[in-house]
Amino acid sequence: AQTVTQSQPEMSVQEAETVTLSCTYDTSENNYYLFWYKQPPSRQMILVIRQEAYKQQNATENRFSVNFQKAAKSFSLKISDSQLGDTAMYFCAFMNDNDMRFGAGTRLTVKP
Amino acid sequence: GAVVSQHPSRVICKSGTSVKIECRSLDFQATTMFWYRQFPKQSLMLMATSNEGSKATYEQGVEKDKFLINHASLTLSTLTVTSAHPEDSSFYICSARDRGGIYYEQYFGPGTRLTVT
Repeated sequence: AQTVTQSQPEMSVQEAETVTLSCTYDTSENNYYLFWYKQPPSRQMILVIRQEAYKQQNATENRFSVNFQKAAKSFSLKISDSQLGDTAMYFCAFMNDNDMRFGAGTRLTVKP
Repeated sequence: GAVVSQHPSRVICKSGTSVKIECRSLDFQATTMFWYRQFPKQSLMLMATSNEGSKATYEQGVEKDKFLINHASLTLSTLTVTSAHPEDSSFYICSARDRGGIYYEQYFGPGTRLTVT
């Protein structure tokens, strides 16, 4: 079974600075997708960014980018120019066919 | 964008009663829907996966007779918590995969907070 590990339960960053959230996973599969989801206090899950495992190029979405290291099974999220609205729980997720696994989450606080 | 709704958003029921939670994909057809449970300050735990017209696949440790899942159409899945007990109190989230989607992305509902008294 796939496992996803987020080793940083909590992190904080000053507004406008950059922060990186780490995620590692374990799988024997070759084809899969990785995601970062944001869960604000409303608890609505919001997709931040996705990465297809077969693509070597790291995904980027505006201020959000990933560092995908397939051999190392690492999938970190970098948030640039952090904003107060980025304060939330962030979950790393692995998906293959009908199996989806989430990491334990990292609580990010952006300080003014 | 793809929208998934859940109803009700909050429900309080007495111990021993059953409660049904609906999950609908509003602007797309969902071949697969997922049900998760989330305890406070914890991650999402996958309970079951349902495909339209077939029986749900439950994760190990999830009682299928207690958590009944029906995926009756491409836009509707329901989770019924039968004979609810206080330990079933939790936040339940559904998600749906777009039938026409090219990614494995799931679209999440806003969640249902269940309190069993």
